[in-house]
Amino acid sequence: SQTIHQWPATLVQPVGSPLSLECTVEGTSNPNLYWYRQAAGRGLQLLFYSVGIGQISSEVPQNLSASRPQDRQFILSSKKLLLSDSGFYLCAWSTGTGGRPQHFGDGTRLSIL
Amino acid sequence: DQQVKQNSPSLSVQEGRISILNCDYTNSMFDYFLWYKKYPAEGPTFLISISSIKDKNEDGRFTVFLNKSAKHLSLHIVPSQPGDSAVYFCAASAGANSKLTFGKGITLSVRP
Repeated sequence: SQTIHQWPATLVQPVGSPLSLECTVEGTSNPNLYWYRQAAGRGLQLLFYSVGIGQISSEVPQNLSASRPQDRQFILSSKKLLLSDSGFYLCAWSTGTGGRPQHFGDGTRLSIL
Repeated sequence: DQQVKQNSPSLSVQEGRISILNCDYTNSMFDYFLWYKKYPAEGPTFLISISSIKDKNEDGRFTVFLNKSAKHLSLHIVPSQPGDSAVYFCAASAGANSKLTFGKGITLSVRP
């Protein structure tokens, strides 16, 4: 069966510090991978998605970037965190296209001080 | 522009009764709809989906209804159980693109 792992579960970072969140998927090949953010009192906002190694699409302009160095690895990064980057970050995967369900990791709670 | 709307932020229901969660959308290109359930500090869990070629899909206690002309879908949970208390997100996608657009979610509380 497929599993998705995200770490760390919680993170407290000072403003201006760098960020690296990692997500890995097991049990499937060539998944579509996604990064979402849920800000307080809001829904899930798609930040990045990837259909293959090195292929990244950005949905919203922001202070973050994403990379996919391996088939089942997706990394969310920032060089300098802003207060507005606080939120709950979720990684997800899906197979193929056509709206097949996305399956989510347990998320990272990021607090910027 | 919010393309998927869950206008009620919360719903409280008695155990054993029916819970009806509503969702509206504006993008007529959406052809696949999903419901997710989320507990605090966890990722959303996929519950049930429906394609635009159908108007109803059922899975155990969960049924999703789609009214394309009204651009409206609803999730029915019957009977409701205390363990159903969570945030429920409606989501939609268009065509072969698997990107999902989510609503803001609705918090369901099922009272024992």
